[in-house]
Amino acid sequence: GDSVTQMEGPVTLSEEAFLTINCTYTATGYPSLFWYVQYPGEGLQLLLKATKADDKGSNKGFEATYRKETTSFHLEKGSVQVSDSAVYFCALSVWGAASGSRLTFGEGTQLTVNP
Amino acid sequence: NAGVTQTPKFQVLKTGQSMTLQCAQDMNHEYMSWYRQDPGMGLRLIHYSVGAGITDQGEVPNGYNVSRSTTEDFPLRLLSAAPSQTSVYFCASSRTGRGSYGYTFGSGTRLTVV
Repeated sequence: GDSVTQMEGPVTLSEEAFLTINCTYTATGYPSLFWYVQYPGEGLQLLLKATKADDKGSNKGFEATYRKETTSFHLEKGSVQVSDSAVYFCALSVWGAASGSRLTFGEGTQLTVNP
Repeated sequence: NAGVTQTPKFQVLKTGQSMTLQCAQDMNHEYMSWYRQDPGMGLRLIHYSVGAGITDQGEVPNGYNVSRSTTEDFPLRLLSAAPSQTSVYFCASSRTGRGSYGYTFGSGTRLTVV
């Protein structure tokens, strides 16, 4: 079956530090890959996505590249801010003609950025 | 503002009670789904719908029912609440089921079963 594995958290960084959150996946088809962010007390928001191999998704200074050869979609940001403190979820979606589409999530990584 | 609206935001139930979690979207999305979020387990799919009149089970459907009579609404029913159903529930929608468009999530319903 499809699965997503994220690096264990929580992650604590100082402001302006470099961020990497690792994400690897297994999928039965050709997945689309996503990073979602959840701020305290809120629902998930789509941060970025990539729909085919070698695509790079980017938004708000965050980037992730769809690496088919390593089945990875690591999230990076060059300089984090306190406002980036949140839970980050890696997810994949594979379309099946019979079953439709299912979004499979990783466990989530709590990021705390200190001033 | 356009989006996914969930009600209620908080609910406490006694074991054995039933209730319906409401979800409505105003984006004319065909695909809607329900997830539960539990610590250390990410989000798990309960039920989903690819259009009005069509529903199917996800990863953890036991104890839950859904129906989709209109494009806009996708309520989730707890038939007989159990403490194991204590969780945060999220409704999500997408333009189509193909997933490449991304999903829009509601703000969640925090349910406690005592």
